Amino acid sequence: DAGVIQSPRHEVTEMGQEVTLRCKPISGHDYLFWYRQTMMRGLELLIYFNNNVPIDDSGMPEDRFSAKMPNASFSTLKIQPSEPRDSAVYFCASSYETGRSYEQYFGPGTRLTVT
Amino acid sequence: GENVEQHPSTLSVQEGDSAVIKCTYSDSASNYFPWYKQELGKGPQLIIDIRSNVGEKKDQRIAVTLNKTAKHFSLHITETQPEDSAVYFCAALGGGYQKVTFGIGTKLQVIP
Repeated sequence: DAGVIQSPRHEVTEMGQEVTLRCKPISGHDYLFWYRQTMMRGLELLIYFNNNVPIDDSGMPEDRFSAKMPNASFSTLKIQPSEPRDSAVYFCASSYETGRSYEQYFGPGTRLTVT
Repeated sequence: GENVEQHPSTLSVQEGDSAVIKCTYSDSASNYFPWYKQELGKGPQLIIDIRSNVGEKKDQRIAVTLNKTAKHFSLHITETQPEDSAVYFCAALGGGYQKVTFGIGTKLQVIP
């Protein structure tokens, strides 16, 4: 398996623009997570899905952020409008329920810069 | 919700020495504690985990200890090597389902 795939790897955009980050989880995994990583706040969970259904979105900063998972193999994180404080590395991770392990498999991340 | 505190934030050791990273958690219901290693430009990767019914777990040069009464757990790396240089995150599973709360991270530098 290719692992978790994220695109784009780097995104530079101007304040006010819409940004869409994409994720393809590992086939067969039933959980998908979106994280944001910054120096000041570390690794923050934004939202996670189970079987394509959002379970907890309490980490989503504000209404400018939205996430969808239309099917088991694809998810998007959208920021509209983007702001400079949204600059961070965004990770997608996936996992599957085994009852014994909760290992999350992370993608390579998308580095977002909002100018 | 769960709160995980991790220290130190940075750690420098000589090659061959041991490194210890400590974490505390707040939710007494948490029962799963993973450690992730993040190399530069990559996503975090699980290196070891421990469940609440176990006090210690070892895997070659790394070990994790858990004290549920005190609500703290630690990562021990022995005989450190330059390739151990990375950022290490502790985490705790709490809040239902598979929601994991991460510590702030420790940047470990192993000096050759």
